[in-house]
Amino acid sequence: AQSVSQHNHHVILSEAASLELGCNYSYGGTVNLFWYVQYPGQHLQLLLKYFSGDPLVKGIKGFEAEFIKSKFSFNLRKPSVQWSDTAEYFCAVINNAGNMLTFGGGTRLMVKP
Amino acid sequence: EPEVTQTPSHQVTQMGQEVILRCVPISNHLYFYWYRQILGQKVEFLVSFYNNEISEKSEIFDDQFSVERPDGSNFTLKIRSTKLEDSAMYFCASSGSAGNQPQHFGDGTRLSIL
Repeated sequence: AQSVSQHNHHVILSEAASLELGCNYSYGGTVNLFWYVQYPGQHLQLLLKYFSGDPLVKGIKGFEAEFIKSKFSFNLRKPSVQWSDTAEYFCAVINNAGNMLTFGGGTRLMVKP
Repeated sequence: EPEVTQTPSHQVTQMGQEVILRCVPISNHLYFYWYRQILGQKVEFLVSFYNNEISEKSEIFDDQFSVERPDGSNFTLKIRSTKLEDSAMYFCASSGSAGNQPQHFGDGTRLSIL
């Protein structure tokens, strides 16, 4: 069975600080990887995805993530956060032929103005 | 951008009653899903649905639950004989294919069982 761990449950940053949110997964086969964001009162929105190719993927709003296969990691990064990035961030994996997204526990990010 | 829509946004029900949560997936999507998130816990997969049948389900999705696509646009989750522990946020999602396309989520229905 696949599983996803997000090590940071709550992160508080000041505006312009750099962000890195950790995500590790366990699964023996090929996976597709996602980061979703949930702004307060809104639905889960796709930030970025990795299926294959360049392990450094760029998403919306200046976010990027790097897939490191040897470490089973897919960490999310942003060089300079803004107050509007305050949200909960979810890492998720799905196996290549599967239907079931497996989510991490989420990281609640608060950016202080 | 097309969206997945869910109704109602909040449902309050007495324990033991049946509830139906409704979803309208993105129109050209073929795969439909339900997830739930109990307060303070992870988002958990319940079921996926393709070609008018369940393609995968989790251990949570027992006989109390059922899904249906009653017409060409709606996708419903029925919970029979609700229990207190069914209180959660229920998310519907849809995708164009399995695995290699992202799932798009609705705003969720907050189900409160009293």
